[in-house]
Amino acid sequence: GAVVSQHPSRVICKSGTSVKIECRSLDFQATTMFWYRQFPKKSLMLMATSNEGSKATYEQGVEKDKFLINHASLTLSTLTVTSAHPEDSSFYICSARGGTNYEQYFGPGTRLTVT
Amino acid sequence: GEDVEQSLFLSVREGDSSVINCTYTDSSSTYLYWYKQEPGAGLQLLTYIFSNMDMKQDQRLTVLLNKKDKHLSLRIADTQTGDSAIYFCAENQGTALIFGKGTTLSVSS
Repeated sequence: GAVVSQHPSRVICKSGTSVKIECRSLDFQATTMFWYRQFPKKSLMLMATSNEGSKATYEQGVEKDKFLINHASLTLSTLTVTSAHPEDSSFYICSARGGTNYEQYFGPGTRLTVT
Repeated sequence: GEDVEQSLFLSVREGDSSVINCTYTDSSSTYLYWYKQEPGAGLQLLTYIFSNMDMKQDQRLTVLLNKKDKHLSLRIADTQTGDSAIYFCAENQGTALIFGKGTTLSVSS
């Protein structure tokens, strides 16, 4: 299957700082990318959907000013957690969809810990 | 309630078959998926089934879909210790995927 990478895989930051997470599709052009958050022993929660060159669509309850998403190219989307708080600590996973409507490939995830 | 429901745990012996069940709610879902997540890793797409299909087989994996009951199952034949992971079923709602909470499969030798 297609390959999606995320960077960094793990990050620890202090409260009040901002953290940027990158999601790249390595061998295909991703027209749509998705950002999920996974809580311990919980399912994945869709945070937002982004299409290349346009503003992201956020799910209800997700603060767009706190979780900034940029999808500047067909192979790169970034999620910036601004003014991070300990409750933002979580596993963030991106996914990307290429030309087909049904295959969505996931990155390996980024573990964020806010101290 | 949850849109997609799964039992949380399943324990089997190596060599046995595993059956993981899932119920979903959106009858307009076009595709239904099974993903596998190993500890600390992202999700790996295992297989998917189009909503107008009843069954799909791919090597050791068999997916059964009962659209009337909105019930999806994943059967893993000859389960191996390497199959130990969390398995998520998901349905599409538009372009997004809605996931169940995952079934933790534990395989003992």
